[in-house]
Amino acid sequence: GAGVSQSPSNKVTEKGKDVELRCDPISGHTALYWYRQSLGQGLEFLIYFQGNSAPDKSGLPSDRFSAERTGGSVSTLTIQRTQQEDSAVYLCASSFGTGGDEKLFFGSGTQLSVL
Amino acid sequence: AQSVTQLDSQVPVFEEAPVELRCNYSSSVSVYLFWYVQYPNQGLQLLLKYLSGSTLVKGINGFEAEFNKSQTSFHLRKPSVHISDTAEYFCAVSEKGFQKLVFGTGTRLLVSP
Repeated sequence: GAGVSQSPSNKVTEKGKDVELRCDPISGHTALYWYRQSLGQGLEFLIYFQGNSAPDKSGLPSDRFSAERTGGSVSTLTIQRTQQEDSAVYLCASSFGTGGDEKLFFGSGTQLSVL
Repeated sequence: AQSVTQLDSQVPVFEEAPVELRCNYSSSVSVYLFWYVQYPNQGLQLLLKYLSGSTLVKGINGFEAEFNKSQTSFHLRKPSVHISDTAEYFCAVSEKGFQKLVFGTGTRLLVSP
């Protein structure tokens, strides 16, 4: 596709349920990031994938959060047993480079609301 | 580990006035620095970046930023703002050789007539 695609665009769930958020990066981009955007918190780094290397999971807030990237392309962020504080916009981004100097292309995000 | 501080959560300014959005970073190694902008109801997009060389970098829409290594700052400036510049601006840093990009908490620029 022309850009980074995220689905769903909106997700409303009940506390305690599991949710899966999907990201389709730009074709050929080797790096993929997940960020969380909350009011007053800016963009919080969650996890980073680069090619076939082990992902950098240092930003995941708890063991309820996990992510995978299949075939070096599509990524899924899973939140288990959702809590109200998980409500936020989850952003995915991809880039072509490997050295941290490349422009990130962001998706439109998934607005997650936990009731 | 690197970190970014944007002290101003909101900056109100009148149209055609100059503006400076402040960004300070913390890192023990060489860094790359970025400014991203998020217009209302739109995704984030790159405004400008500093990788090396000239410390003054120019970006889209008339914005520029200056890298100051001694003050560990990368402030964003525009000499004359427009209503259409109303947006949230995020400063970000990555350490050379590493892909992880860390963002600040953002500064909301509000331009009024």
